[in-house]
Amino acid sequence: GESVGLHLPTLSVQEGDNSIINCAYSNSASDYFIWYKQESGKGPQFIIDIRSNMDKRQGQRVTVLLNKTVKHLSLQIAATQPGDSAVYFCAVGGGADGLTFGKGTHLIIQP
Amino acid sequence: DAGITQSPRHKVTETGTPVTLRCHQTENHRYMYWYRQDPGHGLRLIHYSYGVKDTDKGEVSDGYSVSRSKTEDFLLTLESATSSQTSVYFCAISDFSGLAENEQFFGPGTRLTVL
Repeated sequence: GESVGLHLPTLSVQEGDNSIINCAYSNSASDYFIWYKQESGKGPQFIIDIRSNMDKRQGQRVTVLLNKTVKHLSLQIAATQPGDSAVYFCAVGGGADGLTFGKGTHLIIQP
Repeated sequence: DAGITQSPRHKVTETGTPVTLRCHQTENHRYMYWYRQDPGHGLRLIHYSYGVKDTDKGEVSDGYSVSRSKTEDFLLTLESATSSQTSVYFCAISDFSGLAENEQFFGPGTRLTVL
């Protein structure tokens, strides 16, 4: 099976700085990776995803990097804003039988 | 936001009582999932469904059952609730038809407390 590890339960950054949230996975056969944002009292919301045939994908202010050699995934948020404060989860999956989630990193924005 | 509702949103019950949580979707997505979220554990899959009357177990299925008699509804039942089932329960849906093929859309969650 798959396991998804957490590198840091809490990350505190200054407003305007870039944030980098990391994740590790165990199954080298995994082919789909996704990042979710969860605000307090709400369900997870999709941020960005990447397939195993890519190593980088960019969205609006967010970039996901995938290093299949070391089974590592990261989420970069540019110019962090107060509205980015949330818990961020990476999730891994390859089929219809659900995703395996990491434990989440709580991003705290310092003014 | 994807059309997913969960009911009830909050429930307090006593140990040993049966509890049913409902997930309703208006997106006509084929796949539906139930997760639980606990501090220190992230989200863990309980059961999922890949079509009407087609369901399978997830990572933490013990003590839970599910039913899906219609595309739009996925029910999670705790036959005899225990305090260890105190958690926040999330429903998710997916249809594998979008660019993000495995993307799951989540409902707002149900907070269940078992006393």
